[in-house]
Amino acid sequence: KAGVTQTPRYLIKTRGQQVTLSCSPISGHRSVSWYQQTPGQGLQFLFEYFSETQRNKGNFPGRFSGRQFSNSRSEMNVSTLELGDSALYLCASSAGDRAYEQYFGPGTRLTVT
Amino acid sequence: DQQVKQNSPSLSVQEGRISILNCDYTNSMFDYFLWYKKYPAEGPTFLISISSIKDKNEDGRFTVFLNKSAKHLSLHIVPSQPGDSAVYFCAASDWTGANSKLTFGKGITLSVRP
Repeated sequence: KAGVTQTPRYLIKTRGQQVTLSCSPISGHRSVSWYQQTPGQGLQFLFEYFSETQRNKGNFPGRFSGRQFSNSRSEMNVSTLELGDSALYLCASSAGDRAYEQYFGPGTRLTVT
Repeated sequence: DQQVKQNSPSLSVQEGRISILNCDYTNSMFDYFLWYKKYPAEGPTFLISISSIKDKNEDGRFTVFLNKSAKHLSLHIVPSQPGDSAVYFCAASDWTGANSKLTFGKGITLSVRP
């Protein structure tokens, strides 16, 4: 079974721009969660989508948004990028019955200059 | 407010010996606990989990112990191997609250010396 895939793997953007990251979950997994990893704050939960609906949301500004499609693929969008948004963005998928066991993709390394 | 704490940033052990990684939590609503291993430039890899109704779960060389009264869990790796050298994250979930969010500790870097 293929794992979680994320595209692109690396991205460089300029302050003020917007960016869209993509995640394809493990086949059969309907829950997709997004996390931000930075050296100072560690791994922090952004949001979770289940059956195309946002089910949980972390403590991030509204510039961070996401969506999920009918095939469970998910996208995350960050608008008006700031230098502090530079981070590793990780997507994780889980099956409905054991959603606490989340399987992570390799991440997208975003650098904002 | 850090709800999951890994107070030791690093641990170094000899190959073949036991590695014990510790984790403390403050939120009594957490009911599932997980350990992840992470190599640089890769996403975290799920290792092992434990429900709050259990006090031990074993999978091969990995055993997780949970002391609910002390709000403490630990991961034991026996025997430790050089390939175990990585960053280990403890995570917790309030799953029965239908909240699949994982709260992570800051991680501990394990180095296994040959």
